[in-house]
Amino acid sequence: AQSVTQLGSHVSVSEGALVLLRCNYSSSVPPYLFWYVQYPNQGLQLLLKYTTGATLVKGINGFEAEFKKSETSFHLTKPSAHMSDAAEYFCAVSRGGGYNKLIFGAGTRLAVHP
Amino acid sequence: EAGVTQSPTHLIKTRGQQATLRCSPISGHTSVYWYQQALGLGLQFLLWYDEGEERNRGNFPPRFSGRQFPNYSSELNVNALELEDSALYLCASSWGTAIAYEQYFGPGTRLTVT
Repeated sequence: AQSVTQLGSHVSVSEGALVLLRCNYSSSVPPYLFWYVQYPNQGLQLLLKYTTGATLVKGINGFEAEFKKSETSFHLTKPSAHMSDAAEYFCAVSRGGGYNKLIFGAGTRLAVHP
Repeated sequence: EAGVTQSPTHLIKTRGQQATLRCSPISGHTSVYWYQQALGLGLQFLLWYDEGEERNRGNFPPRFSGRQFPNYSSELNVNALELEDSALYLCASSWGTAIAYEQYFGPGTRLTVT
């Protein structure tokens, strides 16, 4: 079975500070990993994904994540937070191979303070 | 290019009634996914349709059903509504069946059951 744990339901940073959102996964098969962002009253937008290949993945809006198999982690980072980054972030895992459902973590709400 | 559209935006029903939610995928996308985002339960996979066939189903009772039409649009039906069915229902579409293809999400339909 696959599962995702996001450490910290709320994270607060100052504008310009490093953003670090933590995600650990559990999977019995090589995972496909995703980070999505949800702004208020909107659907989800894909930030980045890891399928195969390079373990450091760059996404939109300056975000990146590193797949670490030994740590079963896929943490999301951004060097300098902007006010517009305030949103809820979801980490998700899938096994592919006809099982395309995304299994989401509980989400982390990011607040950015001036 | 138009994104995934969902209708209605809001839906209010009484316990025991039936609800019908609609989704139009991005032009050219053949796969449609349904997810439920309920307070306290997070995002959960409901159904996956591709080329008119149900490909995968989440852990939901049979009163949650759906279909995909020849134009790839999709309908989610919830029968015998219960209070706990109140949630945001998100539809997503992708170009093909491989998990590497991004799932693009619509803005959702907020279902309230009273």
